[in-house]
Amino acid sequence: EAQVTQNPRYLITVTGKKLTVTCSQNMNHEYMSWYRQDPGLGLRQIYYSMNVEVTDKGDVPEGYKVSRKEKRNFPLILESPSPNQTSLYFCASSLGSVNTEAFFGQGTRLTVV
Amino acid sequence: KQEVTQIPAALSVPEGENLVLNCSFTDSAIYNLQWFRQDPGKGLTSLLLIQSSQREQTSGRLNASLDKSSGRSTLYIAASQPGDSATYLCAVPSTGGYNKLIFGAGTRLAVHP
Repeated sequence: EAQVTQNPRYLITVTGKKLTVTCSQNMNHEYMSWYRQDPGLGLRQIYYSMNVEVTDKGDVPEGYKVSRKEKRNFPLILESPSPNQTSLYFCASSLGSVNTEAFFGQGTRLTVV
Repeated sequence: KQEVTQIPAALSVPEGENLVLNCSFTDSAIYNLQWFRQDPGKGLTSLLLIQSSQREQTSGRLNASLDKSSGRSTLYIAASQPGDSATYLCAVPSTGGYNKLIFGAGTRLAVHP
């Protein structure tokens, strides 16, 4: 089954404790992205990757890091989480850049206390 | 700058009604438009993707139309069921040409028995 898998689904952590949210896709897609969803602000892109070792900032990259060492994986790293990073996070992948269907993961609900 | 608006913000209907959800976008130079469904606390499920060259797409009881010149898309849901209750989001690729989707705020649909 074609899918984007995120882990963990739910996470509560404390301020400053480094964490990684994993994302994996099994569709051999080149493009992958991370979004966060907040009430009243909608979905905003954090980072994206066009291929292995090619990443770039989205609209709200501060406080996040990403890496793309393998085509299927695109982890999101919070080096020193803060309460304002409490959000619902989504990983997405697509075959091409702008004219192909995007597939999203099930989301990771992160709470930073 | 591309902006996406969805009307209405919320909708509550009895089971069996035919529904129309609206999505408008400010820049008509889009490659495609995608409709998603989001269940509470869960991921985004792709419903339909309409390419810019298409006028409509159908999947089961769902039909999405696209009018690029007027900057509008509609999602038609026939014979609504309680299981259709969810938030419906439309999204278009950013006109910058890179891998980012611009989302509307969504229409929250409740179908009651």
